[in-house]
Amino acid sequence: DTAVSQTPKYLVTQMGNDKSIKCEQNLGHDTMYWYKQDSKKFLKIMFSYNNKELIINETVPNRFSPKSPDKAHLNLHINSLELGDSAVYFCASSHRQGVGYTFGSGTRLTVV
Amino acid sequence: GQNIDQPTEMTATEGAIVQINCTYQTSGFNGLFWYQQHAGEAPTFLSYNVLDGLEEKGRFSSFLSRSKGYSYLLLKELQMKDSASYLCAVRVKANQAGTALIFGKGTTLSVSS
Repeated sequence: DTAVSQTPKYLVTQMGNDKSIKCEQNLGHDTMYWYKQDSKKFLKIMFSYNNKELIINETVPNRFSPKSPDKAHLNLHINSLELGDSAVYFCASSHRQGVGYTFGSGTRLTVV
Repeated sequence: GQNIDQPTEMTATEGAIVQINCTYQTSGFNGLFWYQQHAGEAPTFLSYNVLDGLEEKGRFSSFLSRSKGYSYLLLKELQMKDSASYLCAVRVKANQAGTALIFGKGTTLSVSS
């Protein structure tokens, strides 16, 4: 299936831990994104990579570090997790000037 | 700054027509998108407008007026399965290298029988 797939779907972890979320797309897109959706359902962009190069880095704590080993993958590593990091994290991809994004199914992160 | 406004909630009955409005004030404009998001699922693409006017796609239509910074999504012949959040998003130029979709806070539509 052609899609954006991210793992894990659910992640429950304790404060202070370090965790990673992986994302892969097989759509041939050249740009990938991470969005955070908070409890009020507001989708906010965090990062964008084009052909492995970071092109957007919104105001995000530096505990969040994206890594793109190739243009089909964009992973998100989070250090020293805090309660406020609890949210759903969506990966998405698009062609740079394409119409619309394709979103992954989301990772629900719960920090306890 | 970037500001995209849409109503928080709307209700309608099966078979009816509903219009969800979106106003935007953004630094730059490179297209307006509507997405549908069911609870617990990913947003899915509904429509795209870059020029003024109406785009029709089955039961869904979207309208854009760039001079007014205004768009609406029109849903006809409502079905129960249309109960979802509808997200208005504007693509803006983020920097020299790329663009980004900036989302409104979404409108939760509840369709009742």
